[in-house]
Amino acid sequence: DAGVTQSPTHLIKTRGQHVTLRCSPISGHKSVSWYQQVLGQGPQFIFQYYEKEERGRGNFPDRFSARQFPNYSSELNVNALLLGDSALYLCASSQIETQYFGPGTRLLVL
Amino acid sequence: GIQVEQSPPDLILQEGANSTLRCNFSDSVNNLQWFHQNPWGQLINLFYIPSGTKQNGRLSATTVATERYSLLYISSSQTTDSGVYFCAVNTGFQKLVFGTGTRLLVSP
Repeated sequence: DAGVTQSPTHLIKTRGQHVTLRCSPISGHKSVSWYQQVLGQGPQFIFQYYEKEERGRGNFPDRFSARQFPNYSSELNVNALLLGDSALYLCASSQIETQYFGPGTRLLVL
Repeated sequence: GIQVEQSPPDLILQEGANSTLRCNFSDSVNNLQWFHQNPWGQLINLFYIPSGTKQNGRLSATTVATERYSLLYISSSQTTDSGVYFCAVNTGFQKLVFGTGTRLLVSP
């Protein structure tokens, strides 16, 4: 069975640009969560979607937004990129309790 | 919000040694997971363990929810065990709060 997939794997942007990250959950999983992990720290919760509705939001500015599609895949959008947005962005899917993480997208903002 | 502290922050072992990693959390939780993050950043599920004890090969974990801590045991460590170990607690609907992490280096 395929695990959680994310695209792209790496991305380089400049300050002020916009970025879209994509995530496909494990087949049958209806919940998708997004996390940001900056170097040297643990992942921080950004969003959680279940059945295409936002169920939770972490302490991130409005520049961060997300959505979930009818096939349960998800997009994370970040506008007006800042240098501090450079991080590993992780997507996780779950069916009941256990969350399974994708390989992440490494974003570098120059 | 809930605080999740892990100890030790860094651990260096020789291959074959055993170790115990600890995770303390400041409030009641719905569940707890242990992850291993490999050098490429992939978070690998080790255990879903809201309470009790589980074992999987050389790894085992124990969570004492009433005392707000969990332990991860690694026996006969191997170089491939190197990486960062995180515990993460769930206090609401699917929101994980990660601990501070333990960085493990196993030398041959």
